[in-house]
Amino acid sequence: AQTVTQSQPEMSVQEAETVTLSCTYDTSESDYYLFWYKQPPSRQMILVIRQEAYKQQNATENRFSVNFQKAAKSFSLKISDSQLGDAAMYFCAYRYMEYGNKLVFGAGTILRVKS
Amino acid sequence: KAGVTQTPRYLIKTRGQQVTLSCSPISGHRSVSWYQQTPGQGLQFLFEYFSETQRNKGNFPGRFSGRQFSNSRSEMNVSTLELGDSALYLCASSNYNEQFFGPGTRLTVL
Repeated sequence: AQTVTQSQPEMSVQEAETVTLSCTYDTSESDYYLFWYKQPPSRQMILVIRQEAYKQQNATENRFSVNFQKAAKSFSLKISDSQLGDAAMYFCAYRYMEYGNKLVFGAGTILRVKS
Repeated sequence: KAGVTQTPRYLIKTRGQQVTLSCSPISGHRSVSWYQQTPGQGLQFLFEYFSETQRNKGNFPGRFSGRQFSNSRSEMNVSTLELGDSALYLCASSNYNEQFFGPGTRLTVL
């Protein structure tokens, strides 16, 4: 069974600084998607960034970028120029393409942003 | 385009009762997935419906069931509620590559 592990229950970053959230996953499949979702106190899940496993290039969305290491099964999220609005719970998620839209989530990392 | 809507947003029930939650996906999306979020177990996949058929099912007891209508709206039902069913229930609609989540239904079982 696929599993997703987020080893950092909580992280803090100073406003305008950079922070990296870690995620590792376990799968025997070669074709899959990886995601980072943000869940602010409102509980609304928001997609931050998506990575297709067959793409070697790391995905980037404005201040958010990933470091995807397929062989190491690692998928970290880097947030640059952190803003107060980035404070939230961040979830790493895995989706195996043959299983439809089923997402397997990690336990989450709470990100606190200090002003 | 309107987002994913879930009703009701909050619900309080007592043990032994049953409950039905509703999810309206984004227009044009045919897939709806349901997740349960609790502090202890985190986010867990319940099931996915695609074109009115259950395509995937998570590891939940048979008390949890769902269905999807021809307009892609989906409902999930929990019978014989237990205290442990208290959770945030999220639904997500998909356009193949991305899932868009609704605001959730907060269920409290007393």
